[in-house]
Amino acid sequence: EDQVTQSPEALRLQEGESSSLNCSYTVSGLRGLFWYRQDPGKGPEFLFTLYSAGEEKEKERLKATLTKKESFLHITAPKPEDSATYLCAVQAYFGNEKLTFGTGTRLTIIP
Amino acid sequence: DAEITQSPRHKITETGRQVTLACHQTWNHNNMFWYRQDLGHGLRLIHYSYGVQDTNKGEVSDGYSVSRSNTEDLPLTLESAASSQTSVYFCASSAPRLAGAYNEQFFGPGTRLTVL
Repeated sequence: EDQVTQSPEALRLQEGESSSLNCSYTVSGLRGLFWYRQDPGKGPEFLFTLYSAGEEKEKERLKATLTKKESFLHITAPKPEDSATYLCAVQAYFGNEKLTFGTGTRLTIIP
Repeated sequence: DAEITQSPRHKITETGRQVTLACHQTWNHNNMFWYRQDLGHGLRLIHYSYGVQDTNKGEVSDGYSVSRSNTEDLPLTLESAASSQTSVYFCASSAPRLAGAYNEQFFGPGTRLTVL
């Protein structure tokens, strides 16, 4: 059974204080690892897809990296508007196209 | 711009009533999904569809049904609502995997359902 574990559950940072969020996964053949951002009362918003170990993708202050067992979402010099819950999900290579999600990391950036 | 919409955004109903949640997408995606989101569980798949007349059960499908009569819509029906079905429901859509390297799912804004 595919499984995704995210840590920490919650993270509070001062504005400008860089950090990383972790996503550990087990999947029967990784097709893709997805990062989403979710604001309160809204649906998840797609950020990145990573397909193979060693791959990195960047968007503004966010950079996602992937190894064979985990992914990191690095946040550099965050701003208050980066406050959100960040969700990680995996899609298996074989079988249906569903995503298996972790429970998310709730990030708060304090001005 | 293409989008995915859900209605209603909020719904309160009573135990035992039938409830239908609407999902409409203008991406022209073949794949559509219904998830529920609960504290401590993350997003869990209820049902999904790969195209018109195709429906499949997800991991938490008991008490729910879907039908797909066109590409744009995948309504979710709770046959007899139960308090355990109080949750936030999200609809999502994606292009078929064969269409290219990227088949990320795009999500709607959600429906908050309360069953009393």
